[in-house]
Amino acid sequence: SQQGEEDPQALSIQEGENATMNCSYKTSINNLQWYRQNSGRGLVHLILIRSNEREKHSGRLRVTLDTSKKSSSLLITASRAADTASYFCATRSPQGGSEKLVFGKGTKLTVNP
Amino acid sequence: DTAVSQTPKYLVTQMGNDKSIKCEQNLGHDTMYWYKQDSKKFLKIMFSYNNKELIINETVPNRFSPKSPDKAHLNLHINSLELGDSAVYFCASSPTGQLTEQYFGPGTRLTVT
Repeated sequence: SQQGEEDPQALSIQEGENATMNCSYKTSINNLQWYRQNSGRGLVHLILIRSNEREKHSGRLRVTLDTSKKSSSLLITASRAADTASYFCATRSPQGGSEKLVFGKGTKLTVNP
Repeated sequence: DTAVSQTPKYLVTQMGNDKSIKCEQNLGHDTMYWYKQDSKKFLKIMFSYNNKELIINETVPNRFSPKSPDKAHLNLHINSLELGDSAVYFCASSPTGQLTEQYFGPGTRLTVT
C-alpha cells in the first residue's frame, strides 16, 4: 500500500523563491528519503533523514521530520530553473523486514526563470 | 562510467509479445530492484534481489519474471504483454542495509500497442 503522500501535487514558483513540499506517511518508519526526478530521467537521491533526527541540511535543501505527526517537509531555498523536477518522498518501515522503499506520488515543481 | 544502466531505453511492441529489459550496475551493490512507474508518476516496487536471491516479490502477474545471473545484473522478462503493462520501468541498486540510498537507472519506456 502507498505510504507517502506529497503535498502539493504541483507547485509553480519564480526563480529565487523558496519551495516547500510536504510528505505525510502512515506507519512508523526508520528513515525517510527524498528523491528528485527530472523529466524523462531516473530518480536521484537527495537526502536521507533518520527517524531519530528532526532536521537535516544539504546545500540549499532542508528536510524536517516530525514523527509524531508522521510528516516531513523538503525546503529548497533560492530556487533555480534547474530545480524544475518532480520530488518524491520515500519511506522505509521497520516492519517490512526487507529492503523496500515505498514512494509517494510526488510533487511536480516548476521554477520559472 | 554509468552507475546503473538499462537497455533498451524505449520499447514499443504489440500485445501478446514477449520482451526483456536488461539492467546492470557497476557500483558493487548487493541489492537490485525493479520498479514500475505509471502514467501518473506513481512508482511501485516489483521485485528485489540481494546477491542473486529474490527477497521482494510484490503482487505482480506471473507474466513478469526477473532473473539475476550475478549480483551486478537483474533482468526483467515479460510474457504475453498487455496494454496495461505500458509504463516506465526502472532498475535500481543499493548497498545492503536500512540506511542506504538507492541508485536508479534511466528507465525503459515500454509502450504496448
